[in-house]
Amino acid sequence: QVQLVESGGGVVQPGGSLRLSCAASGFTFSSYGIHWVRQAPGRGLEWVAFIRYDGSNNYYAGSVKGRFTISRDNSKNTLYLQMNSLRPEDTAVYYCAKDDRIAVAGSLDCWGQGTLVTVSS
Amino acid sequence: EIVLTQSPATLSLSPGERATLSCRASQSVSSSLAWYQQKPGQAPRLLIYDASNRATGIPARFSGSGSGTDFTLTISSLEPEDFAVYYCQHRFYWPLTFGGGTKVEIK
Repeated sequence: QVQLVESGGGVVQPGGSLRLSCAASGFTFSSYGIHWVRQAPGRGLEWVAFIRYDGSNNYYAGSVKGRFTISRDNSKNTLYLQMNSLRPEDTAVYYCAKDDRIAVAGSLDCWGQGTLVTVSS
Repeated sequence: EIVLTQSPATLSLSPGERATLSCRASQSVSSSLAWYQQKPGQAPRLLIYDASNRATGIPARFSGSGSGTDFTLTISSLEPEDFAVYYCQHRFYWPLTFGGGTKVEIK
């Protein structure tokens, strides 16, 4: 079955960096776009970033643009999120989620269980 | 960016009752709207895509309707497992956005 497993979360100081990973299995990873979505404690969902199936185009929320970079390695069935210049307001559970389309944004039809990122001194 | 406003924030109902959740977009998103269910401590789950299509494995008691700026998620008869938070999300253009959520709680 389709499975997404996030890793790499933890505690980091403001201004620091962290790289999240999302390992995919159970589907042809190289055929689908993938998203990162986050959820601050007790808050709603916030879309963060999207990468096309082939990595040729990326899109970001305004709140992370210029600080976060989404990438993928289709040979390893793995998605990444490089997060730099982290702020306390970036504290959240970060989910990777599979899109049901290839290149354009669709619906997020499968989600990982999330990894918690805490930005605090 | 497109703002999605969900109402009500909280819906208090009993099992067996009908739930009607609303999502309003700040501009037209055509039919490019999805609904998700999230239970405490769990990841969201896709319920409805493209406004009215049930995702794989979703029971028939869940239905979606609407187009343009006004959308509705209806749960025809609440089961105990349906008490959760529900979010709408558009995919009309970048950036994608989610609504603030509606919590369906047991009355």
